[in-house]
Amino acid sequence: EVQLLQSGVEVKKPGESLTISCRGSAFRSLWIGWVRQTPGKGLEWMGVIHPDDSEARYSPSFQGQVTISVDKFINTAYLQWSSLKASDTGLYYCTRLDFPVQPCDVWGKGTTVIVPS
Amino acid sequence: QTVVTQEPSLTVSPGGTVTLTCASSTGAVTSGYYPSWFQQKPGQAPSALIYDTDRKHSWTPARFSGSLLGGNAALTLSDVQPEDEAEYYCLLYYGGASYVFGTGTKVTVL
Repeated sequence: EVQLLQSGVEVKKPGESLTISCRGSAFRSLWIGWVRQTPGKGLEWMGVIHPDDSEARYSPSFQGQVTISVDKFINTAYLQWSSLKASDTGLYYCTRLDFPVQPCDVWGKGTTVIVPS
Repeated sequence: QTVVTQEPSLTVSPGGTVTLTCASSTGAVTSGYYPSWFQQKPGQAPSALIYDTDRKHSWTPARFSGSLLGGNAALTLSDVQPEDEAEYYCLLYYGGASYVFGTGTKVTVL
């Protein structure tokens, strides 16, 4: 059974950088996506990356705001911020996609990021 | 900015049937949007139910079904059980690895 294991809760200050991770038991050349959940906005699609060529594609809302990367040799995907804002507070899920037909069949448990204003 | 709209909330009696819809601001939803549906219970990650409009995962209960209905994607819950009370989200594909989640529907079983 494929599992996606995410890193733990993060509490950071505005302006700080942060990288959270998502380790899979086997990526199997499927895309890995990131999804944000906030109380006010529900689920938001952030972007995806392919482990084989590290090609990342971003939702327009998150382009330039975050960086998605991957290390296929250790089956780990990353979501990175260079300068956090209070509005980045949320619950971040990683998920696996056999896109476009079968998105998000497997989900991580989520990483909570808190950036107090 | 593309918006995918769902009913904010629906209430259904145990054993009843309820249909949730998923509408795109760009126009009619077709199979080319590869509609998928997810269930999320409080404190849990979303769980996939339906993909490619009407295909079920191996773990999806038979009482859940997906379809296209009146220009929207639809999720029908039949013989609703108390454990079906949850938030439901649709997801549509807009090309170039770009997806948009729906606004979510809170289903209450009462």
